[in-house]
Amino acid sequence: EVQLVESGGGLVKPGGSLRLSCAASGFTFSTYNMNWVRQAPGRGLEWVSSISSDSNYIYYPDSVRGRFTISRDDAKNSLYLQMNSLRAEDTAVYYCARAGDGYSYDYWGQGTLVTVSS
Amino acid sequence: DIQLTQSPSFLSASIGDRVTITCRASQGISSYVAWYQQKPGKAPNLLIYAASTLHSGVPSRFSGSGSGTEFTLTISSLQPEDFATYYCQQLTSYSDTFGQGTRLEIK
Repeated sequence: EVQLVESGGGLVKPGGSLRLSCAASGFTFSTYNMNWVRQAPGRGLEWVSSISSDSNYIYYPDSVRGRFTISRDDAKNSLYLQMNSLRAEDTAVYYCARAGDGYSYDYWGQGTLVTVSS
Repeated sequence: DIQLTQSPSFLSASIGDRVTITCRASQGISSYVAWYQQKPGKAPNLLIYAASTLHSGVPSRFSGSGSGTEFTLTISSLQPEDFATYYCQQLTSYSDTFGQGTRLEIK
């Protein structure tokens, strides 16, 4: 069974940093592209970052580029999101999601809440 | 960046109704569209990928169609568990953007 479990969320002050983790199991992690998606309270889904299976291709939207860094450790079956210079508008539930074979995100974690507030 | 616009944003319907949600892209995206269902407090679930392919385990009352710039998600006969928010997503450019969502509620 495919499982994705996020951790590392919490309360952080504006300008602070946080590192999210996503532990993967039930599939060959090293062969899949992976993604982060967030959802602010009461809002829609926003794509945050993607990383290819070989880590050679990494993408971000303008809203987080230069502040967030995605990475992966295939030996630990884990995906990470390093978030720096956090802003109030980064407050959201952050999901990790596997990129399926057919141009989609086929499995999602349960999410971890990040709250940026003084 | 490619923008996706869903319509309607809100939909009220009854059990047994047939409903259609539309997703329009700001430029052509072939068939690289996925649809998701999300219930309150839960992660999204994949329904449709490649515009019209049903994800494993998804009931056949869900269907998708379209290519280029206009896509639709259709639920042929609404069931109580279908009341949720639905999102389209494009996966062609270097940003996998989502539509703003369509909230489907019971009339």
